[in-house]
This record gives sequence, C-alpha cells and structure tokens, in this order.
Amino acid sequence: GEDVEQSLFLSVREGDSSVINCTYTDSSSTYLYWYKQEPGAGLQLLTYIFSNMDMKQDQRLTVLLNKKDKHLSLRIADTQTGDSAIYFCAETPGDYKLSFGAGTTVTVRA
Amino acid sequence: DTGVSQDPRHKITKRGQNVTFRCDPISEHNRLYWYRQTLGQGPEFLTYFQNEAQLEKSRLLSDRFSAERPKGSFSTLEIQRTEQGDSAMYLCASSPLGEWDSSYEQYFGPGTRLTVT
Repeated sequence: GEDVEQSLFLSVREGDSSVINCTYTDSSSTYLYWYKQEPGAGLQLLTYIFSNMDMKQDQRLTVLLNKKDKHLSLRIADTQTGDSAIYFCAETPGDYKLSFGAGTTVTVRA
Repeated sequence: DTGVSQDPRHKITKRGQNVTFRCDPISEHNRLYWYRQTLGQGPEFLTYFQNEAQLEKSRLLSDRFSAERPKGSFSTLEIQRTEQGDSAMYLCASSPLGEWDSSYEQYFGPGTRLTVT
C-alpha cells in the first residue's frame, strides 16, 4: 500500500547525519516503524515508536513523530558506509499488519 | 540461527505451474505474516495467522493463492496456475503474542524470490 509516502533517494556524506522523512495516513496507527533492507536481503527491524510518543532515541537512531501532521522521521547520526540501504517506513492500519512506503534509497559517499 | 527462515530462496517456474513456499517462524512466535514485494516497492500485506487460525486476508490474495499453518508452527503459501504478474519476492514475518510492545515487533525472513517465465 502506497498510502505511506517517502522520498525515493537520499545521498549523504560519510560522517554526516541522515534524515529520512515519511508521511502516513492512518491516525489510528498504534506503532510506526522503520525497517532497513540491504540488497537481496529481507527486512531488518531498526526501530519503532508508540503513537503516544513524540521522540525515541536508540544509539545512532532518533525517531521523531508529529501526529498532528502525520509525519515520521528517522535520523541516523554519524552515517557510515554500512548504512547504505533502502529504508522503509511502515504504519499499522489495522490489527497487526504493516503498511509500507516505497522506501528511501540511502547512498553514503566517502 | 534462530531467525525466520524461508525455503526455497529462489524459484523459477513456468507460467501455469503451481509453486509452494515454506516459512519457519521464530520459535514460540504465535503470529505469522506473508507479504509480497515487487521491484522498487515496499512489501504489501497478504495474510496473517495467529497460531493455526488465518485471521485476515488481503484482497491481493486471489483464489489462486492459499496459505496454511496447520500446526501453528511453519506455514506454506501455494500459488496455483502461476502468472507472470506473480513474479515477486515473497516475505514471511513472525511476531510474539502478548500485551507488551514486543508483540508488535515483526521479524522478517530473507524471502523467496519467484520468477515466472
């Protein structure tokens, strides 16, 4: 489902911060997620945030949630070459199923 | 390795043939999900099980698709009379059952890439 919208590409210099943005549609989503997918691999759960929070920090990752604007962002501090991947934002429109965006391809350049 | 496993990892089949994929969830995870991912897109939900009960099916799951989880452990996804449009990555995920945040954590397997020629 493409009700979740993300920008398609992001290029960032190694050592800088990356910010990936997402807008979602279902205000009743209990949790909002960020997943990472490397080429040819499945999805790795990076982090998620409960809908009654506005920020969550986990090591180099910071998630910000603006419920009023239905906007979610993922900040990666000190971006490394191993962070090059596709990042998916997902919401929970009902029960436990996930609805994903199309993904943001992050390229880290030296 | 105690993660979600899927078999086979790759499947090439001719149009009209039937294929079956298997997913083994993380041990003791009660919920199991199937998603489909096409190139350049995010995964799309197909169906999910709580133990052996299939609780929800997407309208994407045509009558050529059937999923089972007979003993509440592994699951199979069968596609009958495959079409070229079925070519995709089929992803399986599992999550525990509970009242805590962890029940909302879905862990994905590596996927089965299906190519229909």
